[in-house]
Amino acid sequence: AQRVTQPEKLLSVFKGAPVELKCNYSYSGSPELFWYVQYSRQRLQLLLRHISRESIKGFTADLNKGETSFHLKKPFAQEEDSAMYYCVSATGTYKYIFGTGTRLKVLA
Amino acid sequence: DTGVSQDPRHKITKRGQNVTFRCDPISEHNRLYWYRQTLGQGPEFLTYFQNEAQLEKSRLLSDRFSAERPKGSFSTLEIQRTEQGDSAMYLCASSRGTGVPYEQYFGPGTRLTVT
Repeated sequence: AQRVTQPEKLLSVFKGAPVELKCNYSYSGSPELFWYVQYSRQRLQLLLRHISRESIKGFTADLNKGETSFHLKKPFAQEEDSAMYYCVSATGTYKYIFGTGTRLKVLA
Repeated sequence: DTGVSQDPRHKITKRGQNVTFRCDPISEHNRLYWYRQTLGQGPEFLTYFQNEAQLEKSRLLSDRFSAERPKGSFSTLEIQRTEQGDSAMYLCASSRGTGVPYEQYFGPGTRLTVT
C-alpha cells in the first residue's frame, strides 16, 4: 500500500539555522510529490510540488528515487517558517496520501 | 472567489444524531475531495468527485457516511447515527484538471465533536 513517512513529529531549530524535514514514500511507481504547509490559524496550502522544481519561500525539495525520499530543505530558517508541514504522495486523480506531519518551530 | 468554503466551522452533536456538512469549492474546479483528520494525523482520504460523479470512496467511509455533489457544484457530507469515533476535523478540497494530480485547495474544515 502507498505510504508516506515523516519520522519527526516536532523539529526545533534556531533562527538562521538550516532546516531539513524528512519524507519517505513507498510506492513502486512514480507518484507526484508535494509539500503542504499549515500556518497557525490558516488552512492547508501548497508549499511546493516536485514537478515544478520551484523554490518557494526559500524552500526546496529534492526527489531521490533510489532512497524514495523527498526531503524539504531551507538553508536559513526564519521565525515565520514555524508551521505544520505535510509531505504528500499522489497518484492518479484522487489518491493523495498525506504523511503524519512535522511541526517546525523556529526559535528566536 | 474567496476560495473553498465549508459550513459549519464547528459542530457539536450528541451520539446517535445525524449531521450534514457543506463544501463550496472554487467555482471552476471540477474535482472535489473530502478528508478526515484526527489529532496527530495527516488528512485521510474519504471520497472524491469528478464533477457530479462520485468516483471513489475510501474503506474508511462506513455505510453511515454519504456524500453528494449535485450538479457538480457544492457537496454535502452526511454522517448518520454519529459515534464518538467520528469526532474529527472534516476537510474539503478542490482542484482543476483531468488525468494527473493537481494542486488541491483546502477549505478551513468543519470540526465535529460527538458527545
